[in-house]
Amino acid sequence: EIVLTQSPATLSLSPGERATLSCRASQSISRYLAWYQQKPGQAPRLLIYDASNRATGIPARFSGSGSGTDFTLTISSLEPEDFTVYYCQQRSNWPPEYTFGQGTKLEIK
Amino acid sequence: EVQLVESGGGLVQPGGSVRLSCAASGFTFSGYWMGWVRQAPGKGLEWVANIKQDGSEKYDVDSVKGRFTISRDNAKNSLYLQMNSLRAEDTAVYYCARSLGYGPGDYFDYWGQGTLVTVSS
Repeated sequence: EIVLTQSPATLSLSPGERATLSCRASQSISRYLAWYQQKPGQAPRLLIYDASNRATGIPARFSGSGSGTDFTLTISSLEPEDFTVYYCQQRSNWPPEYTFGQGTKLEIK
Repeated sequence: EVQLVESGGGLVQPGGSVRLSCAASGFTFSGYWMGWVRQAPGKGLEWVANIKQDGSEKYDVDSVKGRFTISRDNAKNSLYLQMNSLRAEDTAVYYCARSLGYGPGDYFDYWGQGTLVTVSS
């Protein structure tokens, strides 16, 4: 089973700053990684898939990079609505599995 | 507009059963893999099960094997999760989600608002 480890657990930044969130896989997953944003009381929202593809309607300030075992979600200039929790997720066709990281909370400094 | 609306959650006793439903609209339901993802209170996300477009393939996480069954009715644009032998650790918000399009292992591009299942005596 592939384990995803996100770091840091909590990231404290100010609006306008650049955020860099990390997700590390326990073994290579090529580029099969997605990022989700989840606001309190809401369902997750797909931001990035296959490591670097922005999902429909996602602002350009969100970008993803990485391959193999190390991945990064970057938010270029933080807006007030970006302060929430982010999860990474890997996909595997065989065996079919969806593994999520434990989440990173982005909070206002 | 894609919409997924879950229903059926509530309080259930340990060992009991409940059936969750998800009504889909705004897209061709029969053209997509669908899945269920859960989130225990204050915790992270956990994939539960998913099902192929025609229902011929189903996969689930080890912790629910033999207890939960995913199914779908394409004529009714509906997804279901039959949950039996419920345990306290099954307490969670259950989300219905649409797969992006890669197949059995996929990402989820649309999610419902979730339905809370609480297992407690």
